[in-house]
Amino acid sequence: EDKVVQSPLSLVVHEGDTVTLNCSYEVTNFRSLLWYKQEKKAPTFLFMLTSSGIEKKSGRLSSILDKKELFSILNITATQTGDSAIYLCAGHNYGQNFVFGPGTRLSVLP
Amino acid sequence: NAGVTQTPKFRVLKTGQSMTLLCAQDMNHEYMYWYRQDPGMGLRLIHYSVGEGTTAKGEVPDGYNVSRLKKQNFLLGLESAAPSQTSVYFCASRTSGGASGTDTQYFGPGTRLTVL
Repeated sequence: EDKVVQSPLSLVVHEGDTVTLNCSYEVTNFRSLLWYKQEKKAPTFLFMLTSSGIEKKSGRLSSILDKKELFSILNITATQTGDSAIYLCAGHNYGQNFVFGPGTRLSVLP
Repeated sequence: NAGVTQTPKFRVLKTGQSMTLLCAQDMNHEYMYWYRQDPGMGLRLIHYSVGEGTTAKGEVPDGYNVSRLKKQNFLLGLESAAPSQTSVYFCASRTSGGASGTDTQYFGPGTRLTVL
């Protein structure tokens, strides 16, 4: 059975801190790994990763995939209160199926 | 361009009642998905569709039915609601994959359903 595990499940930091969120996956016929940010409503897309070792960056956020060890990390540098959200990781297989992890709830205190 | 919309936004049902949730997208996407989100469990796939007239079961399909009669609409039905179906329901859509395709899903705002 496919599964995605995220850690930590919850994290509280102060503004300016750097955080690393972890995602490990077991997905049959793996195609890609996706990260989403969920604030109050719908998840919004952050990154899609398909190749090992290639870092994707968007401002203070970056992510990388290790297909040998079956994990990905999401880094957020110089955190701001607006980064407070649930961060979801999802594995996608070629069968059009997406398997989501439980999410990491990040709280950034002023 | 509204993206993905869901109706209704909130609903309260009594056990045994039926209802239909509507998802509509105006991006001409081939794939559509229904998820439920419960505290501490992330998003779980209920059913999905890879095109008009096709549907397939996801991880947690029991108690739900779906239909995709038109490409832009994906309906989720509860024939006899149970308290275990209290959840937030998200619809999502995406274009088909391929060499230049993307796996990015676009999500609707969600429907909060309470079954008493």
